[in-house]
Amino acid sequence: DAGVTQSPTHLIKTRGQQVTLRCSPKSGHDTVSWYQQALGQGPQFIFQYYEEEERQRGNFPDRFSGHQFPNYSSELNVNALLLGDSALYLCASSLGGPLTNTGELFFGEGSRLTVL
Amino acid sequence: AQSVAQPEDQVNVAEGNPLTVKCTYSVSGNPYLFWYVQYPNRGLQFLLKYITGDNLVKGSYGFEAEFNKSQTSFHLKKPSALVSDSALYFCAVRDMNAGNMLTFGGGTRLMVKP
Repeated sequence: DAGVTQSPTHLIKTRGQQVTLRCSPKSGHDTVSWYQQALGQGPQFIFQYYEEEERQRGNFPDRFSGHQFPNYSSELNVNALLLGDSALYLCASSLGGPLTNTGELFFGEGSRLTVL
Repeated sequence: AQSVAQPEDQVNVAEGNPLTVKCTYSVSGNPYLFWYVQYPNRGLQFLLKYITGDNLVKGSYGFEAEFNKSQTSFHLKKPSALVSDSALYFCAVRDMNAGNMLTFGGGTRLMVKP
């Protein structure tokens, strides 16, 4: 049973560039959430996708956008990168969208973004 | 708004001794509470959760947690620590009325010395 997979694992960008991160959810899951984990901090919720729509959003600017595909995989896009965007970006999958809230999230190993 | 506090940046314990990692939370509705562990350069692994029912929850790798509503706490415990338990531990809360986003604490590094 494949878990949550993310790509790329590491990448380096410069300020002002754009980046796309990818996530495939755990088999059988239909909901994907994205979290940002800055160094030495806990993960912070960016947004959640279910049925190919953004369902919830955390306190992140609209430079952060996403997409969910019919096969439930997802992308996170960040435009106009800032130094402060350097972080580990975690994808988490679950089943049933935002109203199914008793289950745990399953996390991928993350994409580490460094902005120079 | 929901929030989580983990008051200790680091907890040191000797192998074989009991360990406790503290967590307090704040939500407007009833809480759903979770503990996750993170090993170096890895994602988060689920340990246990409290949804309803018995205040003592048992989870993976011998860990357990006690839900205390009056103190708004959900401390993680293990009767006998192993060196391999050394990792970063995160407490997280979900407000049952606010979708299924998780709000995480800042994390506690557990160091188990042989």
